[in-house]
Amino acid sequence: NAGVTQTPKFQVLKTGQSMTLQCAQDMNHEYMSWYRQDPGMGLRLIHYSVGAGITDQGEVPNGYNVSRSTTEDFPLRLLSAAPSQTSVYFCASSYSWGGVGNTIYFGEGSWLTVV
Amino acid sequence: KNEVEQSPQNLTAQEGEFITINCSYSVGISALHWLQQHPGGGIVSLFMLSSGKKKHGRLIATINIQEKHSSLHITASHPRDSAVYICAVRVEGETSGSRLTFGEGTQLTVNP
Repeated sequence: NAGVTQTPKFQVLKTGQSMTLQCAQDMNHEYMSWYRQDPGMGLRLIHYSVGAGITDQGEVPNGYNVSRSTTEDFPLRLLSAAPSQTSVYFCASSYSWGGVGNTIYFGEGSWLTVV
Repeated sequence: KNEVEQSPQNLTAQEGEFITINCSYSVGISALHWLQQHPGGGIVSLFMLSSGKKKHGRLIATINIQEKHSSLHITASHPRDSAVYICAVRVEGETSGSRLTFGEGTQLTVNP
């Protein structure tokens, strides 16, 4: 089925460990992004990409790395996990910028706990 | 102060009631999204608006650009409408389609 696929859904990490959250979409979307969701706060943008080979920082990029080698995939890497990175992470994609018909698709979320 | 404010934060209703969730923003925008987050966490897009009003089934979304305000209405509410409803705006001038600014969400509970 078409959509945004995120893995893993749940992960527990020890402080200092690294890991990669995977995100893939099969809709040929140019725009992909990673958000984190914390209690009492709206979703906040970590990194985004406007096409293969192009990435940029969002609002809260520290401690995270991204790459976009293909249109389909946009992995998020935690370089050295910290308890402050305990959160729910969402990947999202959309076809283009602008236009009223530009629906955003979200992945199911990844629950990450850093102990 | 958040650029996007939603009210109320929590809302409990009885099945069948008419529900209104409000979103106010303080920046110029090119579009506003209403999203629904299910209890399991998944987020789906309900509407994207740049002006006027949209309707889909029992859901109606309106926006007043001059007043920087949008409302999401649910008619004949049902327990399956229980979810978090999130308002998000695309700030005017943003060059990336993925850069949205989000409200904190409104937790809606509809009791049978």
